[in-house]
Amino acid sequence: DQQVKQNSPSLSVQEGRISILNCDYTNSMFDYFLWYKKYPAEGPTFLISISSIKDKNEDGRFTVFLNKSAKHLSLHIVPSQPGDSAVYFCAASTIGSNYKLTFGKGTLLTVNP
Amino acid sequence: DADVTQTPRNRITKTGKRIMLECSQTKGHDRMYWYRQDPGLGLRLIYYSFDVKDINKGEISDGYSVSRQAQAKFSLSLESAIPNQTALYFCATSQGTGGDQPQHFGDGTRLSIL
Repeated sequence: DQQVKQNSPSLSVQEGRISILNCDYTNSMFDYFLWYKKYPAEGPTFLISISSIKDKNEDGRFTVFLNKSAKHLSLHIVPSQPGDSAVYFCAASTIGSNYKLTFGKGTLLTVNP
Repeated sequence: DADVTQTPRNRITKTGKRIMLECSQTKGHDRMYWYRQDPGLGLRLIYYSFDVKDINKGEISDGYSVSRQAQAKFSLSLESAIPNQTALYFCATSQGTGGDQPQHFGDGTRLSIL
């Protein structure tokens, strides 16, 4: 059973516009949610995280929103840049699992110039 | 220099061979992890280690073993490789016990088993 779901395998947006990547989860015990970005031939790199006690966290062009009642989080990138083109993974963890990460399948974002 | 280094970066081998993938880190982190990624799938945890004397199985440990030789070194072995172990393998490290402590990944080993 997949506990972290990214239902959109791919997303294409124009440079300068907003990119919204979505993630749903089923385990209400998750305490933290993280987003990673992955370029081809490289390992994932940490982007931004949010605690389950918050509903928003912002870092520059990147904002993560958490809706606990809907078990849904989203990553907003504004404005999108061609260098943002990558696979984005949503991940979640819980203290009960010693904060091991459970990853979604990823969404390929393409930002067109 | 990379903080988390994986060797080799690419490996092609035959069914039944023993293979070792190595990971070393200069970040001074206590926790180390091995994941595999298959096309269209997310990262799945194979093994993890919270310190040199602590080794734990992840969700897909069958067919794999690990060794934590030192704080900085964590190796993954496939005792008798099979084709469905063809995948991209990542090593990662993290520090601390908080859920907001991100994991730092190496650049991966692409393993093909013929």
